[in-house]
Amino acid sequence: NAGVTQTPKFRILKIGQSMTLQCAQDMNHNYMYWYRQDPGMGLKLIYYSVGAGITDKGEVPNGYNVSRSTTEDFPLRLELAAPSQTSVYFCASRGPGGFVNEQYFGPGTRLTVT
Amino acid sequence: GENVEQHPSTLSVQEGDSAVIKCTYSDSASNYFPWYKQELGKGPQLIIDIRSNVGEKKDQRIAVTLNKTAKHFSLHITETQPEDSAVYFCAAERYDMRFGAGTRLTVKP
Repeated sequence: NAGVTQTPKFRILKIGQSMTLQCAQDMNHNYMYWYRQDPGMGLKLIYYSVGAGITDKGEVPNGYNVSRSTTEDFPLRLELAAPSQTSVYFCASRGPGGFVNEQYFGPGTRLTVT
Repeated sequence: GENVEQHPSTLSVQEGDSAVIKCTYSDSASNYFPWYKQELGKGPQLIIDIRSNVGEKKDQRIAVTLNKTAKHFSLHITETQPEDSAVYFCAAERYDMRFGAGTRLTVKP
């Protein structure tokens, strides 16, 4: 299994541009999550999904959108990028039952908005 | 919502010594407390976790203790090795996971 994969690894955006961060998992996990990690800080939850077609906001959802059309994929969309969205973004997944299972994290996408 | 505080922010120990990292949480209904290790350029990786119905859990050189009354939990690493050097995060979960700000552990050979 590849686990949780994220693309791209790095990206530089200009203010106002849009982009989609890709996340995929091959473990047939129901739960998927997007976090952001600012320098010297812990991770903050942006959006999560408990299954295909179901998404919900986390702690810091403003400026982002998600969709979950398949079990495997959970893309994160940034519209009108702002410097405050400069961060490292991590996708994670979790098996059936949610809380009883470990979260597996992807390697991250480092995004800079200038 | 849940607030997790983690101390210290940096910790330097000599190889072979023990390291202790402490976290407090605010939501008494939180019921899952994982610890993650994050190496440079990588995503966090779970190293140990504990649930609210357990007071202590050990896995080789790593142990976690939970005091529900005081709402704090701690990570203990014994016989530290240079490869233990990394950033460690605690987290607490009720409906969603809230993370501490991290501790950068350096183990000097």
